This record gives sequence, structure tokens and C-alpha cells, in this order.
Amino acid sequence: SQKIEQNSEALNIQEGKTATLTCNYTNYSPAYLQWYRQDPGRGPVFLLLIRENEKEKRKERLKVTFDTTLKQSLFHITASQPADSATYLCALGASGTYKYIFGTGTRLKVLA
Amino acid sequence: EAGVAQSPRYKIIEKRQSVAFWCNPISGHATLYWYQQILGQGPKLLIQFQNNGVVDDSQLPKDRFSAERLKGVDSTLKIQPAKLEDSAVYLCASSPIANTDTQYFGPGTRLTVL
Repeated sequence: SQKIEQNSEALNIQEGKTATLTCNYTNYSPAYLQWYRQDPGRGPVFLLLIRENEKEKRKERLKVTFDTTLKQSLFHITASQPADSATYLCALGASGTYKYIFGTGTRLKVLA
Repeated sequence: EAGVAQSPRYKIIEKRQSVAFWCNPISGHATLYWYQQILGQGPKLLIQFQNNGVVDDSQLPKDRFSAERLKGVDSTLKIQPAKLEDSAVYLCASSPIANTDTQYFGPGTRLTVL
């Protein structure tokens, strides 16, 4: 069955460092991959979308890579700040369908 | 631009009772999603509407859950009767075009079933 894995343990990093979160998947061939941020008590907020024919996407301090051979996406936050502390979710979508499957999310805590 | 609105924000009910959640998507968004998010897990799609038609409801427990989207705008999700395992946050999201566009989520309704 389709499986999406994100680091289940919280990731703690020091302010100013680069945070790297992983999203691995099996038994799936996504055409698109999204990353969302979710704060406690709130709905997820879209950050970035990357397509299967794109290797890398950037937006300000955010960078996403997508390796369909390794079946993995990496999400980087450079120059991290305490305000970046949140849970980050990856979501995979297949071509021709209308739905995304979400991972369980990774909690990031940036320490001042 | 107003975001996705949901109500109520919190609901506590006894098992076997009924409950309904309401969602008002962003104006003009054709696609509407209902997700269930259990604590510590990612959102799980329950049902997806394109305008007022159902696109996917394969993970909706149809013996107790129902949803409708009248006139292709607002939507309601109902649970009848509720079970303890239905305790979760119910998220509504909308997008202008399915698949490649982003989903805009509402704040969610936190349901506790006692």
C-alpha cells in the first residue's frame, strides 16, 4: 500500500542554521509534491509545490528537492528563525487524480 | 480575500449522538475537500467535491458519515452516530482548480466524542 514517511521525532535546531526535513514514499508515483506548514490549532498553510520533472524549487529561505529515483523530497529552511517552529507536512498527488495524500508531519523547533 | 470559514470551532458530544460541521470555501473556488486529522497524524481525505458533484469519497465511512455541497458553495459534513474514534480535527479546504493548485485550509473543527 502507499506509504509516506516523515521524521516522526521532533527536529530541534539552533537559530541561524539550516533545517532539513525529509519526506520518503513507497508504492506511489506522484506527479506533484507539496509542502505545508501547520501551527497548533490551525489548518495547514501551503508553502511550495514541485512537479516530478522539476529537481528543485526555491522560495525566499525555502528550498525543496524532488528525487523520483530515490522516492524522496527534502525541504530546507535556511537561516532558520524561532518563528519557523511548526509542524511541516508533505503531500503527494498523482497525475489525473484530484487528491493528495499527506504524511504525518515533522515538528520543527528552532531554538533562540 | 476572505479565507475558508468553518464552524463550530469546537464540539463535544457523547458517543452515538449526531454532529454537523459547516464550511464556506473561498469565493469562486470550485473544489472543496473535507479532511480528518487525528492527533499526531496528517490530514486524511474524506471527500472531495468539484462544484456540487462528488469526485472522491472512497475513504468516507458512509455508514455514519455524510456530506453535501448544495449549489456548489457551502458544504456540511455530518456524523451520525458518532463513535469514540471519530475524535479528531475536521478540516475543510478549497482550491480554484484541482490537482495542481494549492489547497487553502480553514481553521478546522475539533471534535471530542466522550
